[in-house]
Amino acid sequence: NAGVTQTPKFRILKIGQSMTLQCTQDMNHNYMYWYRQDPGMGLKLIYYSVGAGITDKGEVPNGYNVSRSTTEDFPLRLELAAPSQTSVYFCASKGQGPNQPQHFGDGTRLSIL
Amino acid sequence: KNQVEQSPQSLIILEGKNCTLQCNYTVSPFSNLRWYKQDTGRGPVSLTIMTFSENTKSNGRYTATLDADTKQSSLHITASQLSDSASYICVVRELMEYGNKLVFGAGTILRVKS
Repeated sequence: NAGVTQTPKFRILKIGQSMTLQCTQDMNHNYMYWYRQDPGMGLKLIYYSVGAGITDKGEVPNGYNVSRSTTEDFPLRLELAAPSQTSVYFCASKGQGPNQPQHFGDGTRLSIL
Repeated sequence: KNQVEQSPQSLIILEGKNCTLQCNYTVSPFSNLRWYKQDTGRGPVSLTIMTFSENTKSNGRYTATLDADTKQSSLHITASQLSDSASYICVVRELMEYGNKLVFGAGTILRVKS
């Protein structure tokens, strides 16, 4: 079981460029999440999905977009990269039930220069 | 605003010693509180979970406590090992009218030295 896999691990972008952060899970979880982690701050929810075809905004969705065409995949798209989007991005998935833990990928470290 | 505050921000201890990390929260109502361990360059991994009716939960050398009246939780690490060096994150699940929401603390960075 690979769990949650994120690619790439590192990326440097120029201001205004776009890119897609990939996330896939092999646990057949319906719930998937994208977070960003900034130094000295708790994780902030960007977008989440409760199942294929269903996505919703989290706390900090501006500048990002997501899609969920399959149960396994939940890509995060940055359309016009800005320096404020420099961060570490984590994808997570969760099984059914409020006491199930979120399973996190190892993150994508993104720098916008 | 519902918040989760952790202390200390960072901590250095000698291998074999015990330590206690604190988590104070204002999230209300809440359904559970979880502690995660995040190794450098990795994603968080769940250590323990407690519902509002539980006072303590252990996972090997890790013991979490919860006082829902004072809105405080602690994570006690016994006989620390070098592999305990990591960030420890307290997360409270807030109950909302529709669904629920996780509120993350900023974490305590623990370094265990030999």
